[in-house]
Amino acid sequence: DTGVSQDPRHKITKRGQNVTFRCDPISEHNRLYWYRQTLGQGPEFLTYFQNEAQLEKSRLLSDRFSAERPKGSFSTLEIQRTEQGDSAMYLCASSLRFLGGGGETQYFGPGTRLLVL
Amino acid sequence: ELKVEQNPLFLSMQEGKNYTIYCNYSTTSDRLYWYRQDPGKSLESLFVLLSNGAVKQEGRLMASLDTKARLSTLHITAAVHDLSATYFCAVTGWNSGNTPLVFGKGTRLSVIA
Repeated sequence: DTGVSQDPRHKITKRGQNVTFRCDPISEHNRLYWYRQTLGQGPEFLTYFQNEAQLEKSRLLSDRFSAERPKGSFSTLEIQRTEQGDSAMYLCASSLRFLGGGGETQYFGPGTRLLVL
Repeated sequence: ELKVEQNPLFLSMQEGKNYTIYCNYSTTSDRLYWYRQDPGKSLESLFVLLSNGAVKQEGRLMASLDTKARLSTLHITAAVHDLSATYFCAVTGWNSGNTPLVFGKGTRLSVIA
């Protein structure tokens, strides 16, 4: 396993359509995160999972967004009824959370660049 | 609400020169990270700083953390063109139980001959 992978790498869609992105984390990592990055900004947290449990959602994650990690391995992020403001890079990251915590590093995937026309 | 500020946001420096990027954060955090991002690419982890006074070095980059001042610095020594990229600092938003990262806006570094 060479790292976090995301699919697709690019997506162009029309406003109002639904899109789904997939993230495959590093295989032994139990935590998986979704971030969104717009041009010239740092990534913004959307949601994260520990194994299959979704532990936190940002207020940025409107009800049009849903994320799943059904078997604690890969995750999907779906955006329903896309809007032009959803255009961004969607980044997935994973980490290994161990007992006692401390110092875990999040490793990022290549991202999915979404353009909503 | 945790906020992270970096400065400068843009930095053009000559090869061979030294410079420092600053990262301030607004509330207590127990971990600070530095990432590098090349244009159109994802983020590459550079450093994780866990405690007050922590210093880490990798090649021409050195990062330090002062938790009392809520300040981290990324020092660049004798810059080379390959260091041109955007550098982000990020901190955890809560105590150590949760780890979503809060990022600064990034410092876009351009090293010129």
